Amino acid sequence: QVQLKETGPGLVHPTQTLSITCTVSGFSLTSYYVQWVRQTPGKGLEWMGLIRSGGNTEYNSEFKSRLSINRDTSKNQVFLKMNSLKTEDTGVYYCARDDYGGLNWFAYWGQGTLVTVSS
Amino acid sequence: DVVMTQGALPNPVPSGESASITCQSTQSLLHSNGKTCLNWYLQRPGQSPQLLIYWMSTRASGVSDRFSGSGSGTDFTLKISSVEAEDVGVYYCQQFLEYPLTFGSGTKLEIK
Repeated sequence: QVQLKETGPGLVHPTQTLSITCTVSGFSLTSYYVQWVRQTPGKGLEWMGLIRSGGNTEYNSEFKSRLSINRDTSKNQVFLKMNSLKTEDTGVYYCARDDYGGLNWFAYWGQGTLVTVSS
Repeated sequence: DVVMTQGALPNPVPSGESASITCQSTQSLLHSNGKTCLNWYLQRPGQSPQLLIYWMSTRASGVSDRFSGSGSGTDFTLKISSVEAEDVGVYYCQQFLEYPLTFGSGTKLEIK
């Protein structure tokens, strides 16, 4: 069945870089978009960006200057990297997928990974 | 960016009663295909959000028919008929007409 699982560092210091891996199973990354959504106390649910089945990306301009999304199709993994972390980036980070391919809703979610930005 | 604004519920809602959650967008979400680009999610306590409705009124797989979505270009409603204990959580609307995809701030449902 379709599964997504985020793995993150837990604690990140301010100004450092966040790296999260989304490992998927039950589907091919070359057939579906994988998207990143975060949930912070300050802004609630925020869409961060996506990587399409063809490998190109779309980013929320809110993060564009410090966010990158990549993937390794052979390992069924999608990677989120965001630099210059601030305390306001503390929250739960989710990867998610739609159910038909190429559509912008989230039928499948990972369990989320909590990231705390603190010195 | 398209801003999504959600209304509050008069909590707690008595079990068995209906509840309607509103959502407004700052621009029409009507797509050129005639469908409306609006989704609804429920986030139960301690869980990831769950898709309830897409294209404004289509129920996602496995979602109870007690949930229904309706609306026009900028004004939307999620109706829950006969609320149950399992419906407790925060409901979010989300637009997908354009990037960035945006969510409402959420509407909390409590049951009496």
